[in-house]
Amino acid sequence: SYVLTQPPSVSVAPGETARIPCGGDNIVSKNVNWYQQKPGQAPILVIYHDNNRPSGIPERFSGSNSGNTATLTISRVEAMVEAGDEADYFCQVWDSRGDHPVFGGGTKLTVL
Amino acid sequence: QVQLVQSGAEVKKPGASVKVSCKTSGYIFNNYGITWVRQAPGQGPEWMGWISAYNGNTKYSEKLQGRVYMTRDTSTTTAYMELRSLKSDDSAVYYCARDNIAAAGTDYFDYWGQGTRVTVSS
Repeated sequence: SYVLTQPPSVSVAPGETARIPCGGDNIVSKNVNWYQQKPGQAPILVIYHDNNRPSGIPERFSGSNSGNTATLTISRVEAMVEAGDEADYFCQVWDSRGDHPVFGGGTKLTVL
Repeated sequence: QVQLVQSGAEVKKPGASVKVSCKTSGYIFNNYGITWVRQAPGQGPEWMGWISAYNGNTKYSEKLQGRVYMTRDTSTTTAYMELRSLKSDDSAVYYCARDNIAAAGTDYFDYWGQGTRVTVSS
């Protein structure tokens, strides 16, 4: 089964840029999707197919994919409790060999 | 607006079954699949399976094959997930999600239910 590797945590100060990596073998050949999940809530899609934002997702969220690493970038990180960016972020791709989706273990973004 | 609303929390004994519903609205039900995912505390989501709302075709994870069953009712635009022979490590939050497929192998999940907590305990 295809494996996605994410660091357990990333920390950033308010107003700075957060970069959350997602590693996988030749991940550049796959479409990478990203989800934000706040405590006690369902995941929300923030990026699909590497670098596309669903309607309603701020332009501060962007994605890239190269080689063995895809990256979710959040610019001007916000610390507000309800509308802030502090959350768990999961990457997801399609495992073509197993013919099913796989998720990364998630990265907790902490806003200092 | 698109909504997926799941049934409430369940507490079950080992060996029992649980059936979770996912009532959809705000879109053409037959045009999308429904994927079921579960999440144990502190872990990433685990894919359980998928059902086509159009024809009811299903695909299940190998890990759960034989214990999980997914159905749908087009008249009520509701999807169901039943998990049988429950074990303690089936305790998790279970989510349904709309499966958006532009082409084979490009699936992403653009709307999610609120989640249903299932606790398996004797």
